[in-house]
Amino acid sequence: GQNIDQPTEMTATEGAIVQINCTYQTSGFNGLFWYQQHAGEAPTFLSYNVLDGLEEKGRFSSFLSRSKGYSYLLLKELQMKDSASYLCAVIYGQNFVFGPGTRLSVLP
Amino acid sequence: SAVISQKPSRDICQRGTSLTIQCQVDSQVTMMFWYRQQPGQSLTLIATANQGSEATYESGFVIDKFPISRPNLTFSTLTVSNMSPEDSSIYLCSVEGLAGGGRSYNEQFFGPGTRLTVL
Repeated sequence: GQNIDQPTEMTATEGAIVQINCTYQTSGFNGLFWYQQHAGEAPTFLSYNVLDGLEEKGRFSSFLSRSKGYSYLLLKELQMKDSASYLCAVIYGQNFVFGPGTRLSVLP
Repeated sequence: SAVISQKPSRDICQRGTSLTIQCQVDSQVTMMFWYRQQPGQSLTLIATANQGSEATYESGFVIDKFPISRPNLTFSTLTVSNMSPEDSSIYLCSVEGLAGGGRSYNEQFFGPGTRLTVL
C-alpha cells in the first residue's frame, strides 16, 4: 500500500498556528494535494505540491520534501471556521490516494 | 472547474434493498470516480467509471455489490446492492479537471455526497 499517515486529531486555539503533517511512501509519487472537509460536506481543494518547497496561499501554506516522503499544511491566524478535517492526498501514477485525514478543532 | 450534483442527497434504506445514486457533471469528463467515506474515516476509492467500458474496481469492491453505469460523458450511477448496516456511509462522486486560475495541473472535484443509512 501507499501508507499515507496523518495525525488523527489536533486541537489549537483561535489565532494560533498549527502544522498538520503527512508522510507517504515515495515510490511512484506524482504530486500531493491537501483538501479541507467540513463535517457533512464534500472535500474542497486547498493546495498542490509536486516540487520541493513551500507553497503559500494566504493563511495556508503547504510544504513538500519528496526525498523524505513528507508534507505539511500550515494554518496561520486560526479561525473558528478552520475547524474541519484536513486530507492529504497523494497521486501515485494517475491515482489519487487519500490519507486518513486529520480532524482539527479550533477552540476560542 | 467542474460542478457536480448528486441525487439523492440522503436516504434511509432497509437491509436487503438496493439504492442507485446518480451523479451529474456540468461538463464532459473522461473519468468519474466513486468514493465511500465511512463515519469518521477518510475517502476510499470504490471504482473508476469510464464511458464506454466497464468500471475498474479497487481491491475489496466488486461489481455485483456496486454496479456502475456510465452511459455518457456527463453522467454516472452507482448502485449499492443488497444493503446491510455496514454500507451506511457517505458516497461521493468526483471528477478530475484542470484546477483553473492559471494553474496547470488537475485536481479532483467532488460532488456533495449521498448520505446513506441502512437500518
